[in-house]
Amino acid sequence: KAGVTQTPRYLIKTRGQQVTLSCSPISGHRSVSWYQQTPGQGLQFLFEYFSETQRNKGNFPGRFSGRQFSNSRSEMNVSTLELGDSALYLCASSSRTGPYEQYFGPGTRLTVT
Amino acid sequence: DQQVKQNSPSLSVQEGRISILNCDYTNSMFDYFLWYKKYPAEGPTFLISISSIKDKNEDGRFTVFLNKSAKHLSLHIVPSQPGDSAVYFCAASLGVNSGYSTLTFGKGTMLLVSP
Repeated sequence: KAGVTQTPRYLIKTRGQQVTLSCSPISGHRSVSWYQQTPGQGLQFLFEYFSETQRNKGNFPGRFSGRQFSNSRSEMNVSTLELGDSALYLCASSSRTGPYEQYFGPGTRLTVT
Repeated sequence: DQQVKQNSPSLSVQEGRISILNCDYTNSMFDYFLWYKKYPAEGPTFLISISSIKDKNEDGRFTVFLNKSAKHLSLHIVPSQPGDSAVYFCAASLGVNSGYSTLTFGKGTMLLVSP
């Protein structure tokens, strides 16, 4: 089975711009979660989608949003980028919603200048 | 306030010896715990998990111990191998009955296994 794929792998944006990141889960997985990883805060949960519905949301401002399509692929969007949004964004998929093992993609490294 | 803490940023052990990675949590509502391993430039890889109804779970060289009264869990790797060198993350969840799948991660411990 192919793993979780994320595109693009690297991205450089300017403050104030917006960005869209994409995640393709493992085939058959219906749950997709997004995490932000920074050196200071570690891995922090952004949101989870299951069958196109947002199930949970972390403590992030409304500039961070996401969606899931009928084929379980997911996108996350960050509007009005700030320097502090520079981070590794990780997507994880799971075959079911709930506190079960999640399989992570390699991440998208976003740099905001 | 960090709900999942890994107080040792790094750990060095010799090949063949036991590696013990520790994790403490503060939220008594957590009832499912996981360990992930992360190599540079890769996403975390699931290693092993444990439900709060158990105090031990074993998978090959990896064993996780849970002490609910102390709100502490540990990952034992025996014997340690150089390929185990990576960052290890402890994660916790509120569990099945809560309906939550959110994982709360610790900040990780970098394990270095030397030959």
